[in-house]
Amino acid sequence: GIQVEQSPPDLILQEGANSTLRCNFSDSVNNLQWFHQNPWGQLINLFYIPSGTKQNGRLSATTVATERYSLLYISSSQTTDSGVYFCAVADFGNEKLTFGTGTRLTIIP
Amino acid sequence: DVKVTQSSRYLVKRTGEKVFLECVQDMDHENMFWYRQDPGLGLRLIYFSYDVKMKEKGDIPEGYSVSREKKERFSLILESASTNQTSMYLCASSLLSGTVLPALTDTQYFGPGTRLTVL
Repeated sequence: GIQVEQSPPDLILQEGANSTLRCNFSDSVNNLQWFHQNPWGQLINLFYIPSGTKQNGRLSATTVATERYSLLYISSSQTTDSGVYFCAVADFGNEKLTFGTGTRLTIIP
Repeated sequence: DVKVTQSSRYLVKRTGEKVFLECVQDMDHENMFWYRQDPGLGLRLIYFSYDVKMKEKGDIPEGYSVSREKKERFSLILESASTNQTSMYLCASSLLSGTVLPALTDTQYFGPGTRLTVL
């Protein structure tokens, strides 16, 4: 099945800083999603981005499917951005959604 | 707004007990999912259902079963709980109808999670 790797595993930043989270996947995909899990465990879908770039407020994501990676950008970080960010890809061959192990982001006031 | 609720936030059970985790969604979604989340392993799919009474195995179905008798409710059953099933369990739902592929590609909405401890 498809392997999904995220980097860095942990990131600690000062409030106001910008950050880039990376998701690499082992095979061609035409589906990639980014999720945020807040410190209380609630998981929320951020982007469905099989290719190209999307923006939503201070967050944007870019997927380059041919090079098998996606990037999540967070600008002007706020403490509410803290939590774990997951990417997930749909493995159509095996009919499953595979999640990466996540990047834990901590924003310090 | 989509609302996905899970029956308990925290649950403590003993080895060998039968455990039911309930999930309910209120947006008439076709697809429902059960995941477990463990440190360093991300989320792993246990089972999902793309229609009432339909179920598909995910990555780690061993030791679990599911039931979907009504569209809005998806139950995860641990027939005989074991300590290695101590984990955070997350339920999700998504809208797109069809079979497996729409279920995998549509936006998933998650419940708050149930942290299960098996002693």
